[in-house]
Amino acid sequence: EVQLVESGGGLVKPGGSLRLSCAASGFTFSSYSMNWVRQAPGKGLEWVSLISGTGTYIYYADSVKGRFTISRNNAKNTLYLQMNSLRAEDTAMYYCARGTLYKSPDYWGQGTLVTVSS
Amino acid sequence: QSVLTQPPSVSAAPGQKVTISCSGSNSNIESNFVSWYQLVPGTAPKLLIYDNDKRPSGIPDRFSGSKSATSATLGITGLQTGDEADYYCGTWDTSLRAGVFGGGTKLTVL
Repeated sequence: EVQLVESGGGLVKPGGSLRLSCAASGFTFSSYSMNWVRQAPGKGLEWVSLISGTGTYIYYADSVKGRFTISRNNAKNTLYLQMNSLRAEDTAMYYCARGTLYKSPDYWGQGTLVTVSS
Repeated sequence: QSVLTQPPSVSAAPGQKVTISCSGSNSNIESNFVSWYQLVPGTAPKLLIYDNDKRPSGIPDRFSGSKSATSATLGITGLQTGDEADYYCGTWDTSLRAGVFGGGTKLTVL
């Protein structure tokens, strides 16, 4: 059974940093691209970033480019999102989601909540 | 403003059929596969349709997907109260080099 478990969310002040993790199990992690997708309170889904299985290809939404960094450790079956220079508008539930390069994700985790507030 | 356009809400009676549209452009829907998701508060998003018209195992055939040029459609027949949720379309945008989603459609089963 595919399982994706996010962690690392919490309350952070504007300008602060946070690192999210996503522990994957139930599939060959290195064979799949992985995404981060977020949903702000009362808003729709917003794709954040994608990393290919080997980490060769990485893409970001314009809204986070230069501030967020996606990475993965295939030996640990773990996906990461380093978030720097956080803004109030980054407040959202962050989902880790398995995918294939250039396609929308299939399996999603339950999400971890990030709140940026002073 | 979402790259893909969906109606904010749709409604129908139990047992009836509803369709949800998703409009895009030649750099996203026309060029790439479309997926559809069901979001229920407090639960992980669920994949309903992938590759335009395919259902994952466990998704009933009441759910269907189609695509034509720059638009895609999700169909749900035999509506049940348990189908009340938010529905999103998603795909890749080749020009933006980014994933894109619709703004979401709230389904109400009256």
